[in-house]
Amino acid sequence: NAGVTQTPKFQVLKTGQSMTLQCAQDMNHEYMSWYRQDPGMGLRLIHYSVGAGITDQGEVPNGYNVSRSTTEDFPLRLLSAAPSQTSVYFCASMGTLVGGPQETQYFGPGTRLLVL
Amino acid sequence: AQTVTQSQPEMSVQEAETVTLSCTYDTSESNYYLFWYKQPPSRQMILVIRQEAYKQQNATENRFSVNFQKAAKSFSLKISDSQLGDTAMYFCAFMNRGSQGNLIFGKGTKLSVKP
Repeated sequence: NAGVTQTPKFQVLKTGQSMTLQCAQDMNHEYMSWYRQDPGMGLRLIHYSVGAGITDQGEVPNGYNVSRSTTEDFPLRLLSAAPSQTSVYFCASMGTLVGGPQETQYFGPGTRLLVL
Repeated sequence: AQTVTQSQPEMSVQEAETVTLSCTYDTSESNYYLFWYKQPPSRQMILVIRQEAYKQQNATENRFSVNFQKAAKSFSLKISDSQLGDTAMYFCAFMNRGSQGNLIFGKGTKLSVKP
């Protein structure tokens, strides 16, 4: 299993540009989430999904859209990038791995985004 | 709303010694999970240890153990025989049993292990 994958690893945007951060998991997990991590802060939840076709807002959803058309994919869209969205973005999925602890969240490697 | 507090922004320990990282949380729920994640300079979030609130026995994973005090809402992480590779940010996190995918994180403790 590749686990949770994210692309790109690093991206530079200009204010006002749009982009999509990709996230995929191959563990057949129902639950997927997007977090952002800023200096001096822990991870904060942006949006999450409890299954294909179902999404909900987290703590900091403004400026971001998500959709979940398949179990595997959970893209995060920035509609009009702002400097305040400069951050590191983590995608995660939650479920049970064979031989692993139940109901644990597994994280992708992160995407570093710089908005100028 | 649930909150997670890590009161030690930075800590240091000598190699081979023991260190304890503190975490407190606030919730009115009774059925939940608590986690410690490690984030080395590579930025990857790595699960260290997991505790289910209904279990009274403290979780252990090799050199890592927790002291879970449910009444006090405290969840500290003890690292024994500290190694240089333990140098990292450590995050405490809380999740309600019915809110899978929705973890609430503390702000983290930066741990440095000195040779």
